[in-house]
Amino acid sequence: QVQLEQSGAEVKKPGSSVKVSCRASGGTFSNYAVTWVRQAPGQGLEWMGGIIPIFGSVNYAQRFQGRVTITADETTSTAYMELSSLRSEDTAVYYCARGPQYSGYDQTTNWFDPWGQGTLVTVSS
Amino acid sequence: QSALTQPASVSGSPGQSITISCTGTSSDIGVYNYVSWYQQHPGKAPKLMIYDVRNRPSGVSDRFSGSRSGNTASLTISGLQAEDEADYYCNSYTSSSTWVFGGGTKLTVL
Repeated sequence: QVQLEQSGAEVKKPGSSVKVSCRASGGTFSNYAVTWVRQAPGQGLEWMGGIIPIFGSVNYAQRFQGRVTITADETTSTAYMELSSLRSEDTAVYYCARGPQYSGYDQTTNWFDPWGQGTLVTVSS
Repeated sequence: QSALTQPASVSGSPGQSITISCTGTSSDIGVYNYVSWYQQHPGKAPKLMIYDVRNRPSGVSDRFSGSRSGNTASLTISGLQAEDEADYYCNSYTSSSTWVFGGGTKLTVL
């Protein structure tokens, strides 16, 4: 059963960048996308974007376009989310999740499961 | 893409049933059967409870059910139990090939 293991908490200065990793243990990403979702303190979930590792194709939420880069290394079953030009409002827990699943380029599932444990990113001067 | 609209909070007594609504538009909930629901306990990662509007993953209690009417999806929890107290989020695919979450609903079991 696949589990997603994320990198540890980070403290960053405003204007810098952070790169969070998400490794699939007990399996691979195979034909699944890896999706990134963030949650600011006391706030709801926000979809940031995702990558289909076998194709390398990415899709980003418009509000993060130009600031977020999602990549994946199939050889290590690890996905990465890098967010640049950090500001205090980016303080949040960042989650990765597996899904959707694809058959070729066709999306065959429409949910996110499982999720990583989350990575707290604190942006503070 | 604006967040889907959920009530901020709902409450119920043990044994009762509650329903959480999730209102979107004709560009998301209204056009796709790709609505999912997630349960999140404090300090924990979200957990998939319902997918494709009304389907339960293996291991999720049959007290949880989902439905959709027009642009509004709903999550119903019957026979409320103390462990159901959590935040619940709906999610939908959109016509822009993106995904959108609801703002979340805090369920309190009285």
